[in-house]
Amino acid sequence: GQQVMQIPQYQHVQEGEDFTTYCNSSTTLSNIQWYKQRPGGHPVFLIQLVKSGEVKKQKRLTFQFGEAKKNSSLHITATQTTDVGTYFCAGAPRTYKYIFGTGTRLKVLA
Amino acid sequence: DVKVTQSSRYLVKRTGEKVFLECVQDMDHENMFWYRQDPGLGLRLIYFSYDVKMKEKGDIPEGYSVSREKKERFSLILESASTNQTSMYLCASSSPRWGGLAGNRTDTQYFGPGTRLTVL
Repeated sequence: GQQVMQIPQYQHVQEGEDFTTYCNSSTTLSNIQWYKQRPGGHPVFLIQLVKSGEVKKQKRLTFQFGEAKKNSSLHITATQTTDVGTYFCAGAPRTYKYIFGTGTRLKVLA
Repeated sequence: DVKVTQSSRYLVKRTGEKVFLECVQDMDHENMFWYRQDPGLGLRLIYFSYDVKMKEKGDIPEGYSVSREKKERFSLILESASTNQTSMYLCASSSPRWGGLAGNRTDTQYFGPGTRLTVL
């Protein structure tokens, strides 16, 4: 079946270091979304990427969608303790139906 | 402000019981979803609904059914709960929005707080 793999599963970084999580789909996606889930909370939408090769920025967060629309990445520059949580990608092979990645849990050490 | 509520934060049931999980959204969204979240497996789609009385199976529908009689409410039913259905259940809703110069469509999913179900 269709799968969305996400790596790494866990990442511990020192505050101020950069962080990247990668998402790979077994099939071409119409779009990809990214969500953040704080410990004990629920997923919260961050961004949606639609176009091949698209790059979007939100302050210290940079999101990329691959040329083949099968992979994506989230990069955080100079992590802060407020970045702690699990980051999920969600790929849409077709409208409405999103397949979530397994998530990357980020811990930031002060 | 967007709001998705779920009937319980924590629920404990016994094997074989019939379990109802309720989800209500106040945003007039067309689409509603039920996911389960398990460590190391991420969120897996159980069922979704794109309109009242319409439903479609997700990736793991076995052992579950759903009901959507009103637009704002989407119920997940475990006909006969089993221990392997112990999990965190998340409801979400969405509605397409168009914006930007290119008129791109965005399907933001808004999640409820989740119900942690334990089946003994």
